[in-house]
Amino acid sequence: KQEVTQIPAALSVPEGENLVLNCSFTDSAIYNLQWFRQDPGKGLTSLLLIQSSQREQTSGRLNASLDKSSGRSTLYIAASQPGDSATYLCAVGGDEKLTFGTGTRLTIIP
Amino acid sequence: GAGVSQSPSNKVTEKGKDVELRCDPISGHTALYWYRQRLGQGLEFLIYFQGNSAPDKSGLPSDRFSAERTGESVSTLTIQRTQQEDSAVYLCASSSAARVNTGELFFGEGSRLTVL
Repeated sequence: KQEVTQIPAALSVPEGENLVLNCSFTDSAIYNLQWFRQDPGKGLTSLLLIQSSQREQTSGRLNASLDKSSGRSTLYIAASQPGDSATYLCAVGGDEKLTFGTGTRLTIIP
Repeated sequence: GAGVSQSPSNKVTEKGKDVELRCDPISGHTALYWYRQRLGQGLEFLIYFQGNSAPDKSGLPSDRFSAERTGESVSTLTIQRTQQEDSAVYLCASSSAARVNTGELFFGEGSRLTVL
């Protein structure tokens, strides 16, 4: 059974700093990995999708990497802004459903 | 519509009552998913539809939960004889890919269910 872990559960950093969020998974036989953002009381917004054959994806200030063999992914956020404050979830795709981590709650301090 | 639409956005009900939650996926999306998110916890997979068939119902927590989908459009999640542990946000997502393994998932804003 796939298990997805995100550590830390919460993170606070001053505005302007670069930061890294971590995601680890136990079964490396995955099809893809997605990073989502969830704002309080809202649904999930897809940020980046990495197929299993890829090693990274970039969108604006966001960069996600994938190392299947070690069961790890990172989400790098450059020049953080208060609007980046949200919960970030990673999800691993396999067997027609996504398995989610419990998320990292990120707070950017102005 | 432009995105996945869910209704109601909030539902408060008494223990033992039945509730229906509705999801309108993005037009043309063949795959539809229901997830549950309890307070402070991750997303828990409930059920997956490909068209109007449900190849994977493995996540439904009990026989009080059921779901159906009309063609490749609206889906309804029904919870019978609700219990307090059913309180959660129920999220619906859709995908244009034949398999979620290859495509992005787009989520609605969820239906928050509170069972008193």
